[in-house]
Formats: sequence, C-alpha cells, structure tokens
Amino acid sequence: DVKVTQSSRYLVKRTGEKVFLECVQDMDHENMFWYRQDPGLGLRLIYFSYDVKMKEKGDIPEGYSVSREKKERFSLILESASTNQTSMYLCASCIGDVTGELFFGEGSRLTVL
Amino acid sequence: GENVEQHPSTLSVQEGDSAVIKCTYSDSASNYFPWYKQELGKRPQLIIDIRSNVGEKKDQRIAVTLNKTAKHFSLHITETQPEDSAVYFCAASDLRGGSQGNLIFGKGTKLSVKP
Repeated sequence: DVKVTQSSRYLVKRTGEKVFLECVQDMDHENMFWYRQDPGLGLRLIYFSYDVKMKEKGDIPEGYSVSREKKERFSLILESASTNQTSMYLCASCIGDVTGELFFGEGSRLTVL
Repeated sequence: GENVEQHPSTLSVQEGDSAVIKCTYSDSASNYFPWYKQELGKRPQLIIDIRSNVGEKKDQRIAVTLNKTAKHFSLHITETQPEDSAVYFCAASDLRGGSQGNLIFGKGTKLSVKP
C-alpha cells in the first residue's frame, strides 16, 4: 500500500512565524505535489516537483516555497506565515507522469493567529 | 494554463436515485480526466478516470463520459447509496512544467444521499 505521510496533522502558528510542512512517500514516486484545500475553492496547486531538487510553481505559489532534497521527501515552507494562509494543506505523489493515480496524505490543518 | 469548472457545488438526492456532476475544461491539449472522492475527514481517493481517446468508461455504479469537442466530462452515479455521500472533485491534466505535468482540480461537489 502506498503511504504518503504528512508529519503534522494540526498546527497553530503566529503571524510572521516560519512554518515547515513535511511530506514523505514510501513508493519511490517521481512526482510530488502540494495542494491547498479551502471550502468552496477545491484543491489549488501550490508547487510540484518531478525530480529531486526540481520544483515548479502551481497556481498559487505566492508566500510559499518548497524543498526536495531527497526523492521521498517534499517540504512546503511558509517563510512568514499570515492569517490568509490558514488552511488545509494536502501533499500528494504519483509515479511516472500525471496520468496516474495521485496518492494523498491525510492533510495538515494549519491555523495562523 | 488549464482551468476546470465544476457544477453543481452541492447536490442532494434520495437513495436509489442517480446523480450527475459536470465539469468543463479550457485546454484542448488536456488528455486525462480523473475523478476523486473525499469522504468527510479523509483524504481524496481516485474513483474513476478517463483518457481523451475514450468517450465513456464504467465501473459498477459509476461512469464517466467525455465530450472532447465541447470540452466537458461528467460523472454519473446510479442507484446512489448513503455511503456515496462525499465531496467529489473532477480534474484535468495540465502539461506545464516538464513532461510530467500536473492536475488542475475543480472546486468540488458535495453530494448528499438521503436514506
């Protein structure tokens, strides 16, 4: 069974703090993604990566950065958290190109006060 | 880039009735269209997908149809059951960012099946 693990299920941070969201997958998938999920807005792509040290901007990259130093790990970084970044963050991975199944993590619910 | 519109945003049906969710996409180059189901408090999971060389695909009570000319695709659920209650997301492939591409999702449809 493919497993995508997000290290933190719930986080509460203060405005201006630096936030790290970690995601690890155990199936040697090339592609990894970070989505943000908000009610009524669906899943919006923040960043994705198709190889180690490679990254591509999604639709809403502003205020975020990512790191992929190892194939199995994809980190989302909020350099200076703001209240409008309060959201559910979902990591996903897939093997090969995007026309394969995306496997999602459980999600990380971030609240920025 | 790709843009995906999904309707309706909420849908309520009686158990046993059919449910239809529709999506349109903007990029004629998109060639892969999956549907994901997200139950309350759980992660999204793939339930069915269709590729651009196929017009229809069925898997038991669910089916997906694709009209490439009109750039729309639909999810059909027959004989709905309470466990079908969830949020359903359609998506379309976007080939930006190298050969691997990514998926652009619709905003989701909350389906409620009343017993």
